[in-house]
Amino acid sequence: DAKTTQPTSMDCAEGRAANLPCNHSTISGNEYVYWYRQIHSQGPQYIIHGLKNNETNEMASLIITEDRKSSTLILPHATLRDTAVYYCIVRDNYGQNFVFGPGTRLSVLP
Amino acid sequence: DSGVTQTPKHLITATGQRVTLRCSPRSGDLSVYWYQQSLDQGLQFLIQYYNGEERAKGNILERFSAQQFPDLHSELNLSSLELGDSALYFCASSALGWNTEAFFGQGTRLTVV
Repeated sequence: DAKTTQPTSMDCAEGRAANLPCNHSTISGNEYVYWYRQIHSQGPQYIIHGLKNNETNEMASLIITEDRKSSTLILPHATLRDTAVYYCIVRDNYGQNFVFGPGTRLSVLP
Repeated sequence: DSGVTQTPKHLITATGQRVTLRCSPRSGDLSVYWYQQSLDQGLQFLIQYYNGEERAKGNILERFSAQQFPDLHSELNLSSLELGDSALYFCASSALGWNTEAFFGQGTRLTVV
């Protein structure tokens, strides 16, 4: 079973920041938080991952709370192409499979 | 382009038949994962291989099997197909370790008629 909970859906205005929350209250000390997205029926696309420090790349920023029980993915300037299902995943500590939950369906509105 | 190649992209077959889906991982990646996504359903983990050995198993039916070959490509074999096996099948690859991301292919869409 997925170790995370996410809102079912969210809307965001084009050009604004999209903030997608994720709860992972049972995360272990050496488990990483990963974010993926799936646009329509394409293969899931890796976005970002982190352990405890905030991370930023060309796609997004990942903010992890100090107690590591929750995180937020930030898309700084959402575009219509960011409309997708976003998955927050806690990967088990053997570096094994990625367990996908239902994710958050983000709709970016013009 | 993720670097993970899946073939074929589409496959239509009849109930009771057997098919083989193929996955070529990214160069250098030793770990391969298979996932199933039925219509409007989530991604279900099936099985993982690392350097030719099975490493983790999910909700994979007994009618399904997989293997990873010495050149690291992987095949997912689906037999005695049923209508309910119609789905997208994704392959992903990664280096080993819990700090490594996996990259997904574009999937094989299987339709059982």
